[in-house]
Amino acid sequence: NAGVMQNPRHLVRRRGQEARLRCSPMKGHSHVYWYRQLPEEGLKFMVYLQKENIIDESGMPKERFSAEFPKEGPSILRIQQVVRGDSAAYFCASSPGLAAVGTQYFGPGTRLLVL
Amino acid sequence: QKEVEQDPGPLSVPEGAIVSLNCTYSNSAFQYFMWYRQYSRKGPELLMYTYSSGNKEDGRFTAQVDKSSKYISLFIRDSQPSDSATYLCAMPLNSGGTSYGKLTFGQGTILTVHP
Repeated sequence: NAGVMQNPRHLVRRRGQEARLRCSPMKGHSHVYWYRQLPEEGLKFMVYLQKENIIDESGMPKERFSAEFPKEGPSILRIQQVVRGDSAAYFCASSPGLAAVGTQYFGPGTRLLVL
Repeated sequence: QKEVEQDPGPLSVPEGAIVSLNCTYSNSAFQYFMWYRQYSRKGPELLMYTYSSGNKEDGRFTAQVDKSSKYISLFIRDSQPSDSATYLCAMPLNSGGTSYGKLTFGQGTILTVHP
């Protein structure tokens, strides 16, 4: 049973470009969470999605960031017009159904570097 | 004030030492208290979690919660070089009965166990 998959693992973008990060949850998991880990900081919650629904986006920056989890395919975190401050590791996690404690599994992360 | 505070270290100990890692928190609504281990360039993995106050033991690891002081600890006995990693405390908050998947993390403590 494959774990949570994220790609790409490393992404380099120039300022002003778009970054698309993909997350494939574990088999049977329908809930996805995105977190951002800035250098020297812990993980910060960004957004919580179920299939075709955004449940909680309270941690998402108001501009340039968007997320989706379509009926088919991976969840996508999209960052438009990237700036250097977007450089970070982005992790997604998935859980089955209505997440009970301890049922959330993290992917290996995508490390975004903005030049 | 951050909701969860954790000393980032770094902490360096000799093999076989007892390690004590700690977090404080401010939100009295937290009910579950989790410890994650994150190896370099990897995603966090759940070590253990406890509910409310008290102790929980799992092999060489013991988690302790003192809700009256809003203070949690993770003890590692007989530490091994393979324990070298970043340890993050995290608290899930069930928001409106939707999910315990939204986690608030501490900054993480970098631990090195040298042979």
